[in-house]
Amino acid sequence: EAGVVQSPRYKIIEKKQPVAFWCNPISGHNTLYWYLQNLGQGPELLIRYENEEAVDDSQLPKDRFSAERLKGVDSTLKIQPAELGDSAVYLCASSLASANEQFFGPGTRLTVL
Amino acid sequence: AQSVTQLDSQVPVFEEAPVELRCNYSSSVSVYLFWYVQYPNQGLQLLLKYLSGSTLVKGINGFEAEFNKSQTSFHLRKPSVHISDTAEYFCAVGGGGGFKTIFGAGTRLFVKA
Repeated sequence: EAGVVQSPRYKIIEKKQPVAFWCNPISGHNTLYWYLQNLGQGPELLIRYENEEAVDDSQLPKDRFSAERLKGVDSTLKIQPAELGDSAVYLCASSLASANEQFFGPGTRLTVL
Repeated sequence: AQSVTQLDSQVPVFEEAPVELRCNYSSSVSVYLFWYVQYPNQGLQLLLKYLSGSTLVKGINGFEAEFNKSQTSFHLRKPSVHISDTAEYFCAVGGGGGFKTIFGAGTRLFVKA
């Protein structure tokens, strides 16, 4: 069974440029999460989807971050424009709707120069 | 509100020695507790989880944890570590339904030969 797939694995951009990350969750997992992980810290939730509905986006900086999960399967997280402080690892995870164990992808390491 | 405190940022230990990684949590509701492991350049992988029932939980790779409600702790233990256990370990607290999962800052376990 394929795990959570994320792309790209690494991205280097200059500040003020846009960037997008893609995530394909485990088949059948209705819940999808995007996390931000800064160096030396634990993951922090950005947004959680139940199917195509964003049920918790309270920690998403909406002035520059956006996300979508149009068909309730794969998802895209976008930053526009990127700032130096956005350099981090962006993790995607998925879980069954009624379960609590989350399965994580390998992450996208973003470097903003 | 829920929170998680991992009491040690780094734990160096010799190979074949026992290890304990400490985690304390706070929550006003019943909780689910998790330990995840993260190897370099990878996503998080579930080691074990406590949902209910027996307070001693056994996980993968020989790890176990004990839920102590009175001390609000969920310490992770392994009786004999291997070099391959070198990784970052995250304690997390979550709840059923709409509660988000909160991760600790992580403990870096470094196993020396």
